[in-house]
Amino acid sequence: DTEVTQTPKHLVMGMTNKKSLKCEQHMGHRAMYWYKQKAKKPPELMFVYSYEKLSINESVPSRFSPECPNSSLLNLHLHALQPEDSALYLCASSQVGRGEWNTGELFFGEGSRLTVL
Amino acid sequence: AQSVTQLGSHVSVSEGALVLLRCNYSSSVPPYLFWYVQYPNQGLQLLLKYTTGATLVKGINGFEAEFKKSETSFHLTKPSAHMSDAAEYFCAVSDVGGSQGNLIFGKGTKLSVKP
Repeated sequence: DTEVTQTPKHLVMGMTNKKSLKCEQHMGHRAMYWYKQKAKKPPELMFVYSYEKLSINESVPSRFSPECPNSSLLNLHLHALQPEDSALYLCASSQVGRGEWNTGELFFGEGSRLTVL
Repeated sequence: AQSVTQLGSHVSVSEGALVLLRCNYSSSVPPYLFWYVQYPNQGLQLLLKYTTGATLVKGINGFEAEFKKSETSFHLTKPSAHMSDAAEYFCAVSDVGGSQGNLIFGKGTKLSVKP
């Protein structure tokens, strides 16, 4: 069982809707990530939060708005999406900081499959 | 800059045959290397990782990989394929001791297992 929980597993929305994807982890990780994955492609990094602050935004359109309310939660707010935004959205978490205990491993959730009509 | 190249977007083997998925990396610093597996409609699951120490790394489900610095390779192997191994496999690299695990993924290799 994954220790990173994503909800909902499936989401269908229209282009005028506002919805949110949620992610939760209780491993004490202080870095959390959103990835977008299209069919038959590797995951593409969207956002990174480190200690609840946005540290990386990979030039993602403003119709995607991340939020990190606390160290365990990560949200992705969706508004005015396009059909091409349909994809699997993966949340991940990892350790932060330099040291032998930080292996750089990312722990992934099972993803939220988004369909934009 | 770091990069990962996975040779072969699709590999097909018979059940019971050797599985070999190839991964080459480019890194200016000693890398941390990973293999992740993704089953249909699921997230990514770590198979194994190399950080430091022993260059032959054993992972879950009978998979192993060997870090060869001279060849900049980290190929994934399994002696005998099982039908349940059919999935997408991603090789990834991270800078050593990075403050965040910013993984660079290869394009993936789809493994098919024939009965």
